[in-house]
Amino acid sequence: GAGVSQSPSNKVTEKGKDVELRCDPISGHTALYWYRQSLGQGLEFLIYFQGNSAPDKSGLPSDRFSAERTGGSVSTLTIQRTQQEDSAVYLCASSLGRQGAEKLFFGSGTQLSVL
Amino acid sequence: QKEVEQDPGPLSVPEGAIVSLNCTYSNSAFQYFMWYRQYSRKGPELLMYTYSSGNKEDGRFTAQVDKSSKYISLFIRDSQPSDSATYLCAMKETSGSRLTFGEGTQLTVNP
Repeated sequence: GAGVSQSPSNKVTEKGKDVELRCDPISGHTALYWYRQSLGQGLEFLIYFQGNSAPDKSGLPSDRFSAERTGGSVSTLTIQRTQQEDSAVYLCASSLGRQGAEKLFFGSGTQLSVL
Repeated sequence: QKEVEQDPGPLSVPEGAIVSLNCTYSNSAFQYFMWYRQYSRKGPELLMYTYSSGNKEDGRFTAQVDKSSKYISLFIRDSQPSDSATYLCAMKETSGSRLTFGEGTQLTVNP
């Protein structure tokens, strides 16, 4: 497809379980971002990839959160031992990786519900 | 205190009204200012961007940045029901990669 693809679109899990969220960026986009969107919080930055490296992972809220990107393309966000406060929409975005006013292209997100 | 403050609304206006959406910010290093529009159950999409202070117009939309007041605005003229969405302001420093978003304002334009 032409856009950013995220899977699954919805994920319901039990507290304490691990979850993996996947992002397929637009082909040729070297930059990839993960954001989290909660009610009343707006979009919260989690991590940024340039190629396969993550020069900015300062937004990850705890060591239960990790992300990787392989082959400069697909990225996986992993949340271990999920907690109820992890419930949110997790959005992935990609861009050409240029300086300045980068246009980010967002996926439709994964709605995570932790019971 | 958040770096970017935005009134979440909700804001409800009649069709044809002029809509004014605003954000304030505290980080004087922000140089790039953007507005994203997000429809329900979709990711945000870039609507407009402005570099430093000034105005930018695109059709029915006008973005304004006042760096001296740390205040940005988005105006929508002749609003349409299809403009009903959440509007998020976003800002970025010259160096660095991350966008810092406001909370978003939920707008409904009633026919």
